[in-house]
Amino acid sequence: EAGVVQSPRYKIIEKKQPVAFWCNPISGHNTLYWYLQNLGQGPELLIRYENEEAVDDSQLPKDRFSAERLKGVDSTLKIQPAELGDSAVYLCASSQKAAAEAFFGQGTRLTVV
Amino acid sequence: GESVGLHLPTLSVQEGDNSIINCAYSNSASDYFIWYKQESGKGPQFIIDIRSNMDKRQGQRVTVLLNKTVKHLSLQIAATQPGDSAVYFCAETPSTGANNLFFGTGTRLTVIP
Repeated sequence: EAGVVQSPRYKIIEKKQPVAFWCNPISGHNTLYWYLQNLGQGPELLIRYENEEAVDDSQLPKDRFSAERLKGVDSTLKIQPAELGDSAVYLCASSQKAAAEAFFGQGTRLTVV
Repeated sequence: GESVGLHLPTLSVQEGDNSIINCAYSNSASDYFIWYKQESGKGPQFIIDIRSNMDKRQGQRVTVLLNKTVKHLSLQIAATQPGDSAVYFCAETPSTGANNLFFGTGTRLTVIP
C-alpha cells in the first residue's frame, strides 16, 4: 500500500513568487493535515481537513497561504507571495480518525531566495 | 545566517550502547504521548506510544517512560544501531482520539560505528 505522497520533493523559488504543494493521502483516510516544519523544530499544524471541509485552519496565515481539498482526496497548499521566512519543510499527513494515527509524507522542502 | 538546526539537542552514542532521549511536556492535561523518528529527508515515523495511565511501555528495543509528576518523557533505545541515527520527537495529545498533536523539540541522535 502506498503511503502519503507529496510533490515536489524540493522547490526553490524567488521571494514574492507563488508556489504550490500537492499531497495524495493514503486511500481511505478521511483526515488530511498540512504541517510546517522549520529547521530543527517539530512539525506545527497549518490546517486539518475532514473530507473536503477545513475543520481547523486557525494556524494558517490566510493573507498568503491557502489550501484546498476539493474532492476530499488530494490536497493542494499554496503560498502567494512567498517570503524568505517561508523556507521550511511542508509535511502532509493523513489518518482515518485521530492525529496520533496519522502517517506522514516525505515532505516538500521549500527554499525561498 | 545562523541555522536554527545548530541548537537542536544532540546525542552521540557508540554502536551497541543504550541511548536515552528526554522530553519535557507542558500540558498536564495531555493523555497520550508518542515518540517519532525522523530520518533525513523523510517525514516523522511512529515508534512507540504511551497513555497517561501508564508509566512504562516496551517495544522492540525501545522503551518509553512517563513521569507525570514532573511532566517528563523518555525514550530508551537498547543496543543502538547506525540505522537509529535520526531526529527523535516526542508529541502529546489530549486523548488517543484527539485531532490535535503537539510536537516537542527534537533530539538528533548520532550513532558512532
